[in-house]
Amino acid sequence: SQTIHQWPATLVQPVGSPLSLECTVEGTSNPNLYWYRQAAGRGLQLLFYSIGIDQISSEVPQNLSASRPQDRQFILSSKKLLLSDSGFYLCAWAPSGGYLGELFFGEGSRLTVL
Amino acid sequence: DAKTTQPPSMDCAEGRAANLPCNHSTISGNEYVYWYRQIHSQGPQYIIHGLKNNETNEMASLIITEDRKSSTLILPHATLRDTAVYYCIVSTGTGFQKLVFGTGTRLLVSP
Repeated sequence: SQTIHQWPATLVQPVGSPLSLECTVEGTSNPNLYWYRQAAGRGLQLLFYSIGIDQISSEVPQNLSASRPQDRQFILSSKKLLLSDSGFYLCAWAPSGGYLGELFFGEGSRLTVL
Repeated sequence: DAKTTQPPSMDCAEGRAANLPCNHSTISGNEYVYWYRQIHSQGPQYIIHGLKNNETNEMASLIITEDRKSSTLILPHATLRDTAVYYCIVSTGTGFQKLVFGTGTRLLVSP
């Protein structure tokens, strides 16, 4: 069966420090991968999505970047965190091509920037 | 993708049916209606989706109007564990898809 893992689960970082959140998917090949962010009390915002290795699309301009160095690995990064980067970050995957039945989410990573 | 409109909050008594409405008046012919829910501090959970016909699974029923401009998610016997934010999303469902979540409906199930 397929599983998705995110880490770290929680993170407290000072303003200006770098960030790296990792997401891996097991049990499937060539998944579509997504990064979402949820600020406190708000809905989910799609940040990045990827249809393959090194193929990243950004939905909104921001202080973050994403990379996909391997088929089932998706990384969210920042060189210098801002206070506004605080939030709940969620990685998700879906089968590539064809019909979308379900988007599978990870457990999330809660980032607090101080 | 078409946008959706949902009430910000709803209340439901435990054991009663919860009927969550969603308007998607600009939905296209090839767009599906998806429902997800998010329990506090967890990732969203898929509930159900449909195109034209009503759908039912072990979690809920989805009723789509004939003109497809609105739909209703029905939780037949709500429990306290159904307290969550419910998101209604429309998407093409084929090729590459990206689900755009709105702010959803916060459902509070009370004893």
